[in-house]
Amino acid sequence: DTAVSQTPKYLVTQMGNDKSIKCEQNLGHDTMYWYKQDSKKFLKIMFSYNNKELIINETVPNRFSPKSPDKAHLNLHINSLELGDSAVYFCASSQDLLAYEQYFGPGTRLTVT
Amino acid sequence: GIQVEQSPPDLILQEGANSTLRCNFSDSVNNLQWFHQNPWGQLINLFYIPSGTKQNGRLSATTVATERYSLLYISSSQTTDSGVYFCAVAPNFGNEKLTFGTGTRLTIIP
Repeated sequence: DTAVSQTPKYLVTQMGNDKSIKCEQNLGHDTMYWYKQDSKKFLKIMFSYNNKELIINETVPNRFSPKSPDKAHLNLHINSLELGDSAVYFCASSQDLLAYEQYFGPGTRLTVT
Repeated sequence: GIQVEQSPPDLILQEGANSTLRCNFSDSVNNLQWFHQNPWGQLINLFYIPSGTKQNGRLSATTVATERYSLLYISSSQTTDSGVYFCAVAPNFGNEKLTFGTGTRLTIIP
């Protein structure tokens, strides 16, 4: 029973393309997040949503657009992909905004060539 | 923003050894989590421990919130313990984003 799932697991694409990563959680949580892990393994938050409302937008280029159709889903769309976008993207969820444990998905490894 | 420092950055041990990983943070927190990132890249929750002590099998963790540090203890290491261990915190009066440390890379040699 996968708690937080992401698709696809791997994504290889060329510069300039547009791609989406999907995330779903079946934990009944109200809050979802996107994190980026760079090549040096550093993890940093990109966005968070609470009850489909954007809460955190961490100075991410506007080529990145998150969308939350409902509380269980948070998708990440990336326009005009650049080489520097290559990274592992993790989705996470928590019960609510404040002081709750966050659970992470398996990650999506994006490679831009 | 809050600063998170982990030490040591790298640790190589023989199977069966014990280890202590440290996480220092610069402000009071209401969320502190320890994660293990295995060689396949999965982030596995180990502990949610903004204060106090918890144990789970061979692993235990202690957070001394007043002194702004947390320790992760691994006893009787196994090769499957290899990977990167991350500490992540959220400040008391912030917007609940987790700030991650740079991790401790643990390698267990058979």
